[in-house]
Amino acid sequence: KAGVTQTPRYLIKTRGQQVTLSCSPISGHRSVSWYQQTPGQGLQFLFEYFSETQRNKGNFPGRFSGRQFSNSRSEMNVSTLELGDSALYLCASSLRAMAGEAFFGQGTRLTVV
Amino acid sequence: DQQVKQNSPSLSVQEGRISILNCDYTNSMFDYFLWYKKYPAEGPTFLISISSIKDKNEDGRFTVFLNKSAKHLSLHIVPSQPGDSAVYFCAAQQDSYGKLTFGQGTILTVHP
Repeated sequence: KAGVTQTPRYLIKTRGQQVTLSCSPISGHRSVSWYQQTPGQGLQFLFEYFSETQRNKGNFPGRFSGRQFSNSRSEMNVSTLELGDSALYLCASSLRAMAGEAFFGQGTRLTVV
Repeated sequence: DQQVKQNSPSLSVQEGRISILNCDYTNSMFDYFLWYKKYPAEGPTFLISISSIKDKNEDGRFTVFLNKSAKHLSLHIVPSQPGDSAVYFCAAQQDSYGKLTFGQGTILTVHP
């Protein structure tokens, strides 16, 4: 069974640009969550989607947005990039809507210059 | 507001001995707790979890203890192995939703 796949693995963007990251969850998983990992802040929750609906949102500015498609694949978009957006972005998928372990992808390393 | 805290940034242990990683939380609404392990350049890997209705859960070398009155949980690894060297994150969930609130992580180093 394939794991969670995130593309691309590495990305370099310039301040002011926008970026779209992609996440394919484990087959059959309907919940997809996104996290930002930085050295200073640790793992911070961005948002969670279940069956194409955003169920939960973290404390990030509106420049961060996401969506989920009918096949459960998810995308995350960051507009007007800032230097502080440089981070590892992790996607996690879960089988159920209820509490339980989430399975993470390897992440996308975004560098904003 | 850091609702989940891992106060020890690092821990060094000899191979074969016990590793004890600690985690404190402030939100009494958390009802499910998890531990993840993370190697460099990889995503976190789920290790073990515990529901708030239990005080202990064991899986092989890994045991998680939950003390609700103290809002404290710990992960015990016995015996520790060099391959256990990684960053360990504790995480908590509320109301059974998918959002995970993570601690800052503890770097565990197991020396041969």
